Amino acid sequence: EVQLVESGGGLVKPGGSLRLSCAASGFTFESYSMTWVRQVPGKGLEWVSFITSGGGTIYYADSVKGRFTISRDNAKKSLYLEMNSLRADDTAVYYCVRVKGLMVFDNWGQGTLVTVSS
Amino acid sequence: DIEMTQSPSTLSAFVGDRVTITCRASQSIGDWVAWYQHKPGKAPKFLMYRASTLESEVPSRFSGSGSGTEFTLTISSLQPDDFATYYCQQYKSNPYTFGQGTKLEIK
Repeated sequence: EVQLVESGGGLVKPGGSLRLSCAASGFTFESYSMTWVRQVPGKGLEWVSFITSGGGTIYYADSVKGRFTISRDNAKKSLYLEMNSLRADDTAVYYCVRVKGLMVFDNWGQGTLVTVSS
Repeated sequence: DIEMTQSPSTLSAFVGDRVTITCRASQSIGDWVAWYQHKPGKAPKFLMYRASTLESEVPSRFSGSGSGTEFTLTISSLQPDDFATYYCQQYKSNPYTFGQGTKLEIK
C-alpha cells in the first residue's frame, strides 16, 4: 500500500522559514516524480512544486518561486519542501503527492498544516 | 496560465440521482484533464485521467468525457460515499491548475 506521511508543519511568523518532509513507503520511491499541492483552508487546491525521480527537473508555481525549494533523498525515500520568506497567504494544508505519468497526482498524503501568523 | 472553471460550485442531490459536473478550460487542452474527489480531513482521491480513463478500483458509476475546453464528470447513481468535493485539473501545461471545486451535498 502506498503511504505518504507529511511532517514539519506548524505556526510560523511572517518572514520565517519551515521545512516540510514527506516519508514515502509501499512503492519504489526513486522511480516516481513527486509534487507538493496545497489547500488554503476553505479554498481549492493549488499545485506548488514538482521534482522528477532523479531530481534533475524541478518546477515551481509563480507564487512560491524564489522562496520555496523542493528536494528529495531517494536513499531515505523522502521528499522535502524548504519554505522561506513565508507570508500569510502561504497558510494552507500542504500535501505530498506521487505523480503518475504526465503530471496526474495518483496518491496523496494526509497533509500537514502550515500557519503563517504573527 | 490555463484557468479551469467548474460549475456548479455546489450541487445538492439525492442518493440514486445522476449528477454531472462541468469543467471549462480557458484554452484548448486536448484531453489532458484529471478528476479528484476530496472529503474533509482526508487525502484527495484520484478518480480519472485523460478526461475519461478511470483509475483502477474507481467504481464504474463514475465516468468522464470531453476534449478541448469542456469536460464533464458524471456519477450515474449517487451513493452515500460519493458526497464530497470534486476537482478537475489540467495537465496540458505548467502551472498545473485545478478548478475551484464542486461540493456535492446530500439533499
